[in-house]
Amino acid sequence: EPEVTQTPSHQVTQMGQEVILRCVPISNHLYFYWYRQILGQKVEFLVSFYNNEISEKSEIFDDQFSVERPDGSNFTLKIRSTKLEDSAMYFCASSVERNSGNTIYFGEGSWLTVV
Amino acid sequence: AQSVTQLDSHVSVSEGTPVLLRCNYSSSYSPSLFWYVQHPNKGLQLLLKYTSAATLVKGINGFEAEFKKSETSFHLTKPSAHMSDAAEYFCVVSGPGGGSQGNLIFGKGTKLSVKP
Repeated sequence: EPEVTQTPSHQVTQMGQEVILRCVPISNHLYFYWYRQILGQKVEFLVSFYNNEISEKSEIFDDQFSVERPDGSNFTLKIRSTKLEDSAMYFCASSVERNSGNTIYFGEGSWLTVV
Repeated sequence: AQSVTQLDSHVSVSEGTPVLLRCNYSSSYSPSLFWYVQHPNKGLQLLLKYTSAATLVKGINGFEAEFKKSETSFHLTKPSAHMSDAAEYFCVVSGPGGGSQGNLIFGKGTKLSVKP
């Protein structure tokens, strides 16, 4: 069964460093998303991406964050200057369509620890 | 605004007994509702979804959920728990705009433990 894959599974970085989290969405999907889950808190929406541009973003997704689809298969989340509070599990997801009720498929997550 | 409340942070059952994970939602329109499961060190897997069709929704691994508009509930049930059901379960409602853009609103999760 096709799946969303994410790398790395775990990354430790120093505060202030740049981090890039990578994702390979399911191949025929057109819509891509990033969510995050801070330890002990809810899974939160960060951003959605379609047709090479951001279609929606949450308040969390500030200027420190950016997303990119550098080629036909990868979808990346960049955090420019990491802060301690960026420590979280980051989930990439994708879907064929974006209408209500459409199934969104999630990856296994990338656990980011900022020290 | 849309929101979802999972009433129990932790549920413990014995193998072979029924499972009930409770979820209440708040939405200003007819929502789409989902249950996702997360096994340890695994991603979020869709168990089932409700999208304004049949109110009783059957999912994978013997789980089902019933949409009750009058009670604004979408509880997840399974007649007989299996050890492999031990995981964290998330009730999810579609976000603003009826779920377009993929903005899902997650509950805090319910950790299900299954005792032998």
